Amino acid sequence: AQSVTQLGSHVSVSEGALVLLRCNYSSSVPPYLFWYVQYPNQGLQLLLKYTSAATLVKGINGFEAEFKKSETSFHLTKPSAHMSDAAEYFCAVSGGYSSASKIIFGSGTRLSIRP
Amino acid sequence: EPEVTQTPSHQVTQMGQEVILRCVPISNHLYFYWYRQILGQKVEFLVSFYNNEISEKSEIFDDQFSVERPDGSNFTLKIRSTKLEDSAMYFCASSGLQGGEQYFGPGTRLTVT
Repeated sequence: AQSVTQLGSHVSVSEGALVLLRCNYSSSVPPYLFWYVQYPNQGLQLLLKYTSAATLVKGINGFEAEFKKSETSFHLTKPSAHMSDAAEYFCAVSGGYSSASKIIFGSGTRLSIRP
Repeated sequence: EPEVTQTPSHQVTQMGQEVILRCVPISNHLYFYWYRQILGQKVEFLVSFYNNEISEKSEIFDDQFSVERPDGSNFTLKIRSTKLEDSAMYFCASSGLQGGEQYFGPGTRLTVT
């Protein structure tokens, strides 16, 4: 069974500040991990994914995430927040090639950017 | 860039009516999925479909739901008799490989009154 837990339903940072969105996962098989972003009234856009290659994954819009097996974490970071980063962010896990690969989503973290 | 499309973008229906949500996956993809997101909640897996049959379904996907790939391009989700609690955003996704990246459509907002 797989699950993800996102710590903090709402995070607020100042423009230009570091963004850190936390995600912990649980998986009985080597996981594939994802971060998706959802802007208001829009669909899901893939920010980045971890598929058992490099543990530091770089994505779009300056975001990156580091897979830490010892901590079962996959936190999302961005060095300097921009107003356009305000959105809902979902961490997600799948069983990768070993399973039917449904994606299990976390509850989401709403990111707000203060001017 | 190829993308998943969904129609309609918004569907309003009365309780007890049947609805069909349509999706056109990316053309060379083989794996298809439906997810839903009730307003303010997380995205939930409904069903996966491969080789013209259901691969996996969640407990949400009861007998009121069905999926079909009626031709080479469309993938549909049918809700036979809608309930108020079926009101949600429904996302279609497709993947070219088992375990590969899933590409999501923009969603259909279903409102049951």
